[in-house]
Amino acid sequence: KQEVTQIPAALSVPEGENLVLNCSFTDSAIYNLQWFRQDPGKGLTSLLLIQSSQREQTSGRLNASLDKSSGRSTLYIAASQPGDSATYLCAVARGYSTLTFGKGTMLLVSP
Amino acid sequence: DAMVIQNPRYQVTQFGKPVTLSCSQTLNHNVMYWYQQKSSQAPKLLFHYYDKDFNNEADTPDNFQSRRPNTSFCFLDIRSPGLGDAAMYLCATSRVPARVEGYTFGSGTRLTVV
Repeated sequence: KQEVTQIPAALSVPEGENLVLNCSFTDSAIYNLQWFRQDPGKGLTSLLLIQSSQREQTSGRLNASLDKSSGRSTLYIAASQPGDSATYLCAVARGYSTLTFGKGTMLLVSP
Repeated sequence: DAMVIQNPRYQVTQFGKPVTLSCSQTLNHNVMYWYQQKSSQAPKLLFHYYDKDFNNEADTPDNFQSRRPNTSFCFLDIRSPGLGDAAMYLCATSRVPARVEGYTFGSGTRLTVV
């Protein structure tokens, strides 16, 4: 059974800092890995999707990497802003109906 | 913009009173999912439709049902809500194969049971 772990569970940083969120998964036979953002009381917004054949994806200040063989992904946020405060969820897909989530990292960026 | 829309955003229902949550999509994706997310927990898959084929997760309570009358709409019915069913309910869609586009989620419906 696939298990996804996200470390740290919570992170508090001052504005402007670069930061890394970690995600690990136990079964490397995945189709893709997706990073989501969830604001309090809201749904999930897709940030980046990395297919199993890819090593990384970038969108603006966000960069996600994937090392499938070691079962790890990182989400790098450059020059963090208070608006980045949210919970970040990592999810891995194997087959169309099996999307397994981590519990998320709650990020707080203080001005 | 193509998207997944959930209504209502907030729903308050009485203990034991049936409630229906709705989801619509303009992405023309063939798979629609319903997830339940409780506070500080990961989303948990309840069931999904692959076109018209319904697939229930083994541990989804019988109290939860779903309907998909057409490609665009999917409904979650809770027949007799209990206090433990209070949660955020998330609708998602994907195309098979999902490996290229991934999953798209709606904004969720926050259900309160009183």
